[in-house]
Amino acid sequence: DQQVKQNSPSLSVQEGRISILNCDYTNSMFDYFLWYKKYPAEGPTFLISISSIKDKNEDGRFTVFLNKSAKHLSLHIVPSQPGDSAVYFCAADQAGTALIFGKGTTLSVSS
Amino acid sequence: DTGVSQDPRHKITKRGQNVTFRCDPISEHNRLYWYRQTLGQGPEFLTYFQNEAQLEKSRLLSDRFSAERPKGSFSTLEIQRTEQGDSAMYLCASSLGHQGRSGNTIYFGEGSWLTVV
Repeated sequence: DQQVKQNSPSLSVQEGRISILNCDYTNSMFDYFLWYKKYPAEGPTFLISISSIKDKNEDGRFTVFLNKSAKHLSLHIVPSQPGDSAVYFCAADQAGTALIFGKGTTLSVSS
Repeated sequence: DTGVSQDPRHKITKRGQNVTFRCDPISEHNRLYWYRQTLGQGPEFLTYFQNEAQLEKSRLLSDRFSAERPKGSFSTLEIQRTEQGDSAMYLCASSLGHQGRSGNTIYFGEGSWLTVV
C-alpha cells in the first residue's frame, strides 16, 4: 500500500507558464513533507519542504502548499524554465523516521 | 565537495557474485540512509543508521543484504549472491536527525548503479 501517491506520471508545460505537481498521502501521522528533483543518472536533490503546522512555504520560484484536511500537497513552479525538466518526488516524514517517497512525476518544460 | 559521496558509481557483476558499495556522508551528519531506486519508482527505503546503530530495516532488505556503519562515519552496503532483480540504483543519504523530532531533511549522493548479468 502506497502511503505517498503521485498520480500523474508526467506533466508538460510551456516555458514561462506555471507547473503544478500534486501529491496525496494517506497517513495522518506524517508531519513534514519535502519535494526532491532528480535528473537522469543523478541522486535526488532537495528542493523545498513544509511542516504540517504551515499551509504554505515559498522559496523563489517554488511554492509548496499543504492541505491537511485533504491530505494533499502541491508544488508550484512559476515561471517554469526548460532547466526545470526533471523527475519530481514528493516525500513524507513521520516524527523523524526515514522518508517515504512517491513514484515521481516527470516534468517537461518546452521552450 | 562536502556532499554525500558514493563509490563505485557503476558496477556490473555476474549473478551469484558479491558486491559492496561505500558511502561517505556529510561530515557533521549523524544519520545515514540507504535507499534503492528502480525504473519508474521512487526511492525505496532499505535501512538507516543513527551514528553506528542500525535503527530500522525495511522488509526489502533480505538476508542477502547487510549494511554496516562501524564507527558512525562511512557505511558499506553488501549484497551477497546477487540476483538479476538486484539491478537498481543504490542511493545513500545523510541528515542531522533526532529521534522523535520532525524536520528531517536528507541529502542524497549521486547513487551507485548496479547491473547484474
